[in-house]
Amino acid sequence: AQSVTQPDIHITVSEGASLELRCNYSYGATPYLFWYVQSPGQGLQLLLKYFSGDTLVQGIKGFEAEFKRSQSSFNLRKPSVHWSDAAEYFCAVGANSGNTPLVFGKGTRLSVIA
Amino acid sequence: GAVVSQHPSWVICKSGTSVKIECRSLDFQATTMFWYRQFPKQSLMLMATSNEGSKATYEQGVEKDKFLINHASLTLSTLTVTSAHPEDSSFYICSARENSGGFFGPGTRLTVL
Repeated sequence: AQSVTQPDIHITVSEGASLELRCNYSYGATPYLFWYVQSPGQGLQLLLKYFSGDTLVQGIKGFEAEFKRSQSSFNLRKPSVHWSDAAEYFCAVGANSGNTPLVFGKGTRLSVIA
Repeated sequence: GAVVSQHPSWVICKSGTSVKIECRSLDFQATTMFWYRQFPKQSLMLMATSNEGSKATYEQGVEKDKFLINHASLTLSTLTVTSAHPEDSSFYICSARENSGGFFGPGTRLTVL
């Protein structure tokens, strides 16, 4: 069965510091991987996605993620965090079919301190 | 990119009433849409898969008579929470996939008094 694990429930980083949010997945076929961000009371915003090709993908807001098949990971990174990055981050996996839903991790809450 | 809208964005209702939430794909056709529910500080939980022109597929533990789903066209799916109770208060989010991407509506905050 497909699943997504985000090991860190809550992470606190200082503004300007680098960030890495971990995501591990279990999927029977070639996964399509996504990272979403959600601010309190808001919907989901797509940060980036990986379908195929270059395993390092660039997203919006200066985020990037690296797909590592051997480790079944798709970790999200940002070299310098801004206070506005404080939010909930969700990793998701899905098939290359529009008829199947995405499976989400439990999320990682990011706090940014001055 | 593809856009999914939801209406209303928030609703407050009395216990025992029914509430309808609309989900529209604005610039693409979605034969399949998905309804999720999110409790505070938790992840998204898939409730059901909405298929255009046919019955929805519900996840285990989700009452199909409680959460009525209708997908009458390729751009519209509706979720009706029937006889709502306070425990139905939650954030409901719809989603559609286009070219394997996952696009989400902005969500509907339901509060049942």
